[in-house]
Amino acid sequence: AQSVTQLGSHVSVSEGALVLLRCNYSSSVPPYLFWYVQYPNQGLQLLLKYTSAATLVKGINGFEAEFKKSETSFHLTKPSAHMSDAAEYFCAVSAKGGSEKLVFGKGTKLTVNP
Amino acid sequence: DTGVSQNPRHKITKRGQNVTFRCDPISEHNRLYWYRQTLGQGPEFLTYFQNEAQLEKSRLLSDRFSAERPKGSFSTLEIQRTEQGDSAMYLCASSLLSPAVNEQFFGPGTRLTVL
Repeated sequence: AQSVTQLGSHVSVSEGALVLLRCNYSSSVPPYLFWYVQYPNQGLQLLLKYTSAATLVKGINGFEAEFKKSETSFHLTKPSAHMSDAAEYFCAVSAKGGSEKLVFGKGTKLTVNP
Repeated sequence: DTGVSQNPRHKITKRGQNVTFRCDPISEHNRLYWYRQTLGQGPEFLTYFQNEAQLEKSRLLSDRFSAERPKGSFSTLEIQRTEQGDSAMYLCASSLLSPAVNEQFFGPGTRLTVL
């Protein structure tokens, strides 16, 4: 079975500050890991994905995440927050083979203050 | 390629009524997923199709729920005898079966409100 825990349902940062959104996973098989962003009244958009290649993954909009197997973590970071980053962020895990369905965390709502 | 589309975007219904949602995936994608998202939660998997075959269903999918994907193209999700607990956002996603990692593309969702 797989599961995802996102620490902090709400994160607030100032514009220009570092963004750090935490994600820990549990998986009985080598996982694939994803970060999605959801803007109000919109579907989910893929930010980045880990597929067992490089442990540091770069995504869109300046986001990146590092896979740390020893810590079972896949935290999302961005060096400098922009107002347009305000949204809800979801970490998800899947396993290769079968349906490859996504198992999501509960999400973290990011607020960016001017 | 216009992405994944879902219709309707919003549906308000009375308890006990039947509703049907439609999802049109990206044209070449042979995999299709339905998820449900309630307020304050992440999306939860409901069911999965590969081409026209429904290969996996979640325990969340009660017998009031049925999904189809005729001819492996669009998909419909029907809820019979709706209950207030069915109020949620229903998301559809599609992907291409390949040796590489499965990247799912999501539609905008259908928001269901059961009064």
